[in-house]
Amino acid sequence: DAKTTQPNSMESNEEEPVHLPCNHSTISGTDYIHWYRQLPSQGPEYVIHGLTSNVNNRMASLAIAEDRKSSTLILHRATLRDAAVYYCILRSPTNFGNEKLTFGTGTRLTIIP
Amino acid sequence: DSGVTQTPKHLITATGQRVTLRCSPRSGDLSVYWYQQSLDQGLQFLIQYYNGEERAKGNILERFSAQQFPDLHSELNLSSLELGDSALYFCASSVRLTSGTTDTQYFGPGTRLTVL
Repeated sequence: DAKTTQPNSMESNEEEPVHLPCNHSTISGTDYIHWYRQLPSQGPEYVIHGLTSNVNNRMASLAIAEDRKSSTLILHRATLRDAAVYYCILRSPTNFGNEKLTFGTGTRLTIIP
Repeated sequence: DSGVTQTPKHLITATGQRVTLRCSPRSGDLSVYWYQQSLDQGLQFLIQYYNGEERAKGNILERFSAQQFPDLHSELNLSSLELGDSALYFCASSVRLTSGTTDTQYFGPGTRLTVL
């Protein structure tokens, strides 16, 4: 599996945008970039995913570099509820027996009131 | 609420014992995954079932086994428990996949296992 690199921790002020970076220099041409987050005392939760183009959904935006070697998860207006560990995960398209999620250490996001 | 349920929420048992963790996937989801989260190992994939059949295996110990039943619920059996098996165990489910795409996995709230 291609590897991702994320900062161990980040802090942000409440109601400000947050940019969470992820480096994945060995990404293959068919790998999707997925983001999950894990709120305290909860199971991981899907946030967003993309392949080449930037993506938006109700939770966040995903900005993907042109060379696809890095990406940024953007929370437009952080709330205290966004305090969590955020995982950037590369995933190959469906292949028999290859659908597992490989979690790294993620970025622990702290929101300052 | 992800729609995935896990029971029990907490389990405290002694070394050498055997326990069964249960997972009910979201309605219509055919794939069930089991993950273990411990302080020193982080979140690790254990095993996946798809429509009743084992589909992939990860770092699952021989003392652990799982199955998926015709109604698609799944059970993870942990036997000869050791102190190091204390962890959070998460179940996730996803829909049938189309070739060339990736799935979205929905996680349950987890079962916290404490082995004393």
